[in-house]
Amino acid sequence: DADVTQTPRNRITKTGKRIMLECSQTKGHDRMYWYRQDPGLGLRLIYYSFDVKDINKGEISDGYSVSRQAQAKFSLSLESAIPNQTALYFCATSDFGTGSGDTQYFGPGTRLTVL
Amino acid sequence: LAKTTQPISMDSYEGQEVNITCSHNNIATNDYITWYQQFPSQGPRFIIQGYKTKVTNEVASLFIPADRKSSTLSLPRVSLSDTAVYYCLVVMDTGRRALTFGSGTRLQVQP
Repeated sequence: DADVTQTPRNRITKTGKRIMLECSQTKGHDRMYWYRQDPGLGLRLIYYSFDVKDINKGEISDGYSVSRQAQAKFSLSLESAIPNQTALYFCATSDFGTGSGDTQYFGPGTRLTVL
Repeated sequence: LAKTTQPISMDSYEGQEVNITCSHNNIATNDYITWYQQFPSQGPRFIIQGYKTKVTNEVASLFIPADRKSSTLSLPRVSLSDTAVYYCLVVMDTGRRALTFGSGTRLQVQP
């Protein structure tokens, strides 16, 4: 079984709809992240959470919100989807330890299309 | 936050050694250098991480000079399956910051 899972894997929705993307992990990591990737570009950080009560905005948080329901679950919501939020969304986890950096483990991604 | 600069793209042929260099002029004392690999429509995958000198694992080697202002990812004898985007990141050891991925280097391996 995959350590980091994302649901749904693909979603097509219409402008103005509320969408929730879910991420679950079985790695026991405290840290979780949401990124988006547009075609041909690198990853951009939307939100990140260092533990259940520590949630931080990334570089492109406008139009998104998150919920850290438990150590293992981190959800991303688009309150009112718009076409330029069409992208590939990745969830990641990490288990920070001093002296080892912060290796991230990524989920398989959710392809979201907003019409 | 240390900014990284790496080539946008590189081409190679099967069986060759590929070296991708990344510059990080304002790297801090406690920062690590980390490389990730990303195949199309998949999430990035950790390849290798180092602090100084040389690190080698089953996938790649990482060379870091004494001044640590640059690093070179070396992929020995690449195959078609090494075609991917490679990201160089500088990671703070103090931990209160998330990673920043740039655009990476798109490596195309040809037969």
